[in-house]
Amino acid sequence: DAGITQSPRHKVTETGTPVTLRCHQTENHRYMYWYRQDPGHGLRLIHYSYGVKDTDKGEVSDGYSVSRSKTEDFLLTLESATSSQTSVYFCAISGGGPYNTEAFFGQGTRLTVV
Amino acid sequence: DAKTTQPPSMDCAEGRAANLPCNHSTISGNEYVYWYRQIHSQGPQYIIHGLKNNETNEMASLIITEDRKSSTLILPHATLRDTAVYYCIVSPGDKIIFGKGTRLHILP
Repeated sequence: DAGITQSPRHKVTETGTPVTLRCHQTENHRYMYWYRQDPGHGLRLIHYSYGVKDTDKGEVSDGYSVSRSKTEDFLLTLESATSSQTSVYFCAISGGGPYNTEAFFGQGTRLTVV
Repeated sequence: DAKTTQPPSMDCAEGRAANLPCNHSTISGNEYVYWYRQIHSQGPQYIIHGLKNNETNEMASLIITEDRKSSTLILPHATLRDTAVYYCIVSPGDKIIFGKGTRLHILP
């Protein structure tokens, strides 16, 4: 299995509080991604990174920010959590080159905003 | 928006080949076809990908039409453990956008 770890795995937080989810990889892959998955919506891309300090928005980026200060870590921050951000969050990594573009996913973080 | 079209669900008898279709009529020359699956609430799992040639690995085969506008994922001998949602994605290898996928039911 690809070396990708999400933390925490479960979190309950109150509306209005900041929350940071961490994705850590040991594969030295260039690309890292954050997705959310809700019933009836499938996986939706929030933000992705194509290198240190290089990030871009995905399909549902409002209310989220990301940072990547080193290759192995990609942080997702909810500045002020809302109940609509209750979801399962998945991180993924990919080499991004022509021969190793397959993505590997973490086990997910279940976030509940009350 | 997702650039692929898949049937929402399919059934397949255990032990038979499961053939999952995908239409991607607007695929660009530099975009690969990827297949992933998601079993229950686990993280998606990579299955196979290809550019224009047919591909086979230990999990599945990928058949891409000559015009590259559609493809078929083949699971040669489906088992109950293959019950999952299967996603077909086209991408040049950077941003990965999921559609709704096909929910495959393997029938005992």
